[in-house]
Amino acid sequence: DAKTTQPPSMDCAEGRAANLPCNHSTISGNEYVYWYRQIHSQGPQYIIHGLKNNETNEMASLIITEDRKSSTLILPHATLRDTAVYYCIVPPPGGSQGNLIFGKGTKLSVKP
Amino acid sequence: DSGVTQTPKHLITATGQRVTLRCSPRSGDLSVYWYQQSLDQGLQFLIQYYNGEERAKGNILERFSAQQFPDLHSELNLSSLELGDSALYFCASSVRSGSGNTIYFGEGSWLTVV
Repeated sequence: DAKTTQPPSMDCAEGRAANLPCNHSTISGNEYVYWYRQIHSQGPQYIIHGLKNNETNEMASLIITEDRKSSTLILPHATLRDTAVYYCIVPPPGGSQGNLIFGKGTKLSVKP
Repeated sequence: DSGVTQTPKHLITATGQRVTLRCSPRSGDLSVYWYQQSLDQGLQFLIQYYNGEERAKGNILERFSAQQFPDLHSELNLSSLELGDSALYFCASSVRSGSGNTIYFGEGSWLTVV
């Protein structure tokens, strides 16, 4: 997988936007960026993914820079239930495998 | 609810024993993945099956084996269990295999080896 770099931890005030950065400077042109999160000891939850355009769904927005070397996951109005470890993953393209390689992620703490 | 079902949710067993963890993928998903998460450790990919055939192998011990059946459910067999095998085991599924393919995880099976 293309190497990703995320800060180990971040804090966010409840109700404010949480902006989680990810650096993937070695990404190639046809590699997607995926975001998952894991709330304590629960199964990882898919959030969003994108290739080059910004994406938005009911959970979050994904902003990918024009050179695709970094991205930001935005939770627009963070709640206490968004406290989790967030993983930015870039799976290798073109292979027949589909497994994801999880790094250490960013531990987001949403505080009241 | 991701639609991926894992049983049992909790399991306590003794060292040296053998256990089987079961996974039912989301309806229509052909690919199944197994991951291990030890206490304070990251998610480690173990093995992937696609439509009954092994597709990828990760850090899976020789004491562990898996299979995917014709009805697409999967089982992870753990034998000669050691204390260090105590972990949360996740199953995940996806429609296809290959990159650009969203994977959905179950809630996991907690295994405690005593």
